[in-house]
Amino acid sequence: GDSVTQMEGPVTLSEEAFLTINCTYTATGYPSLFWYVQYPGEGLQLLLKATKADDKGSNKGFEATYRKETTSFHLEKGSVQVSDSAVYFCALSGQAHNNDMRFGAGTRLTVKP
Amino acid sequence: EAQVTQNPRYLITVTGKKLTVTCSQNMNHEYMSWYRQDPGLGLRQIYYSMNVEATDKGDVPEGYKVSRKEKRNFPLILESPSPNQTSLYFCASSPGTTGNTIYFGEGSWLTVV
Repeated sequence: GDSVTQMEGPVTLSEEAFLTINCTYTATGYPSLFWYVQYPGEGLQLLLKATKADDKGSNKGFEATYRKETTSFHLEKGSVQVSDSAVYFCALSGQAHNNDMRFGAGTRLTVKP
Repeated sequence: EAQVTQNPRYLITVTGKKLTVTCSQNMNHEYMSWYRQDPGLGLRQIYYSMNVEATDKGDVPEGYKVSRKEKRNFPLILESPSPNQTSLYFCASSPGTTGNTIYFGEGSWLTVV
């Protein structure tokens, strides 16, 4: 079945460092891909998404490109801030049934001043 | 404000005592679902509903029940809670077609002792 694998954390960076969180997927057909973010004590909220190959999703300085050839959707940010500290989830929405959303295990990011 | 509201946010209960976690959305979404979040496992879907009176099992339905009598509400019922159901639970909703953003509630911390 469809699945998502993302790099294990935790990840600790200094402010203004470059961030990459790797995400790869396995799916039949053409899934939509998402990154969700969970700030402490809150629910998940959509960070960005891409619905077809070569699409780039972007939001709040974060970017991810849908790479069908490598089945990847890596999250990047050029300069992280302390406020970016959160848990990041990669997810896919496949075609098995409507909104069958599969999540990765989550990567906890801590940014230190 | 568009939102998914779940209650209670925090609950400690004893083994075998039936409990219900309520979920309500004000976006007229057709699709609603319940997830549990456990360390290292990401989010796993418990049950989902594609419309009123239409519910189906997700990946980890054992020990849970749901109902969808109205479009806006999707309660999660634990008939006889056990300690392995201690977890963080999220209700979610979406417009109902593949690739759409899923909106999450803020989560309900449940501890079964």
